[in-house]
Amino acid sequence: AQTVTQSQPEMSVQEAETVTLSCTYDTSESDYYLFWYKQPPSRQMILVIRQEAYKQQNATENRFSVNFQKAAKSFSLKISDSQLGDAAMYFCAYINGGSQGNLIFGKGTKLSVKP
Amino acid sequence: DTGVSQDPRHKITKRGQNVTFRCDPISEHNRLYWYRQTLGQGPEFLTYFQNEAQLEKSRLLSDRFSAERPKGSFSTLEIQRTEQGDSAMYLCASSLLTGTGKKLFFGSGTQLSVL
Repeated sequence: AQTVTQSQPEMSVQEAETVTLSCTYDTSESDYYLFWYKQPPSRQMILVIRQEAYKQQNATENRFSVNFQKAAKSFSLKISDSQLGDAAMYFCAYINGGSQGNLIFGKGTKLSVKP
Repeated sequence: DTGVSQDPRHKITKRGQNVTFRCDPISEHNRLYWYRQTLGQGPEFLTYFQNEAQLEKSRLLSDRFSAERPKGSFSTLEIQRTEQGDSAMYLCASSLLTGTGKKLFFGSGTQLSVL
């Protein structure tokens, strides 16, 4: 069975600084997708960034980028120029390419941003 | 596009009572998903629909749980004879059938408290 592990329950960053959130996963599949979702106090899960396993190039969305290490099964999220609005729970998630909706989530990392 | 809407946002009930939640997906989305999130955990997959057909159910979805999507639009999730262990946030998500690379769009959830 696939698993997703986030080893950092909490992280803190100074406003305007850079922070990296860690995620590792376990799978025997070759076709899969990885995601980072953000859950602010409003509770809505918001997609931050997505990575297809077959793509070697790391995904980037504005201040958010990933370091996808397929052989190591690692998928970290880097947030540059952190803003107060980035404070939230961040969840790493995995889905098989052949699956239709069974996203497997990690336990999350709570990110605090200090002014 | 008003996003995924869930109602109610909060529900408090007594053990043994039945509860029903509603989810309205993004209008053109033909897939709809239910997830459950307990405190300190990431969301866990419960079930999903493609149009009105329920295509997959997790082993987490006990016999007391039933989900419907009668006309392929909104969906309801009913829990019969609620137990304290059912206390959680119930998240709904929707997606298009193809072309979105497994992107799910989530609602803000229904927080259930069973006393």
